[in-house]
Amino acid sequence: EAQVTQNPRYLITVTGKKLTVTCSQNMNHEYMSWYRQDPGLGLRQIYYSMNVEVTDKGDVPEGYKVSRKEKRNFPLILESPSPNQTSLYFCASSSGGGLYEQYFGPGTRLTVT
Amino acid sequence: ILNVEQSPQSLHVQEGDSTNFTCSFPSSNFYALHWYRWETAKSPEALFVMTLNGDEKKKGRISATLNTKEGYSYLYIKGSQPEDSATYLCASLMDSSYKLIFGSGTRLLVRP
Repeated sequence: EAQVTQNPRYLITVTGKKLTVTCSQNMNHEYMSWYRQDPGLGLRQIYYSMNVEVTDKGDVPEGYKVSRKEKRNFPLILESPSPNQTSLYFCASSSGGGLYEQYFGPGTRLTVT
Repeated sequence: ILNVEQSPQSLHVQEGDSTNFTCSFPSSNFYALHWYRWETAKSPEALFVMTLNGDEKKKGRISATLNTKEGYSYLYIKGSQPEDSATYLCASLMDSSYKLIFGSGTRLLVRP
């Protein structure tokens, strides 16, 4: 089954404790992206990747890092999480960037206390 | 940041009613317009991706139109059903970058 998976689905952590949210897709998509969703706001792009070893900042990259060492994986790293990073995070992939439909993962709800 | 606006923010309709909502986006440097359906506790699912002015797309009872010159798209749902209850998101690709700008969505509730 074609899908995007994320782990963990739920995470409660404390300020400053490094964490990684994993994202994996099995559709051989070149393009992958991370978004955060906050109440009253649309999905905001954090980082995106056009291919292996090629990443770029989205609209809200501060406090986040990403890597793309393999085509299928695109982990999101929070080196020192803060409460303002409490949010719902989605990973997405597509076959060709913004001209093609995005396939979203199930979401990761992160709470930073 | 270029804004994508959706209206209304929320909409309550009766089962069987037809409804529509709007997505407005800057018309300059337009590349593509996406519509997604997002049910509670699930992830957004693509409905349509449109690129050409005047484009119309249809999937079952749901259809969408695109006007790139004036910067808007309409999503129509004919004969709404309770299972259509969801948040409908639009997103615009404004240049050849890979950045999609999302609107904040229209939340639709269809009462039986």
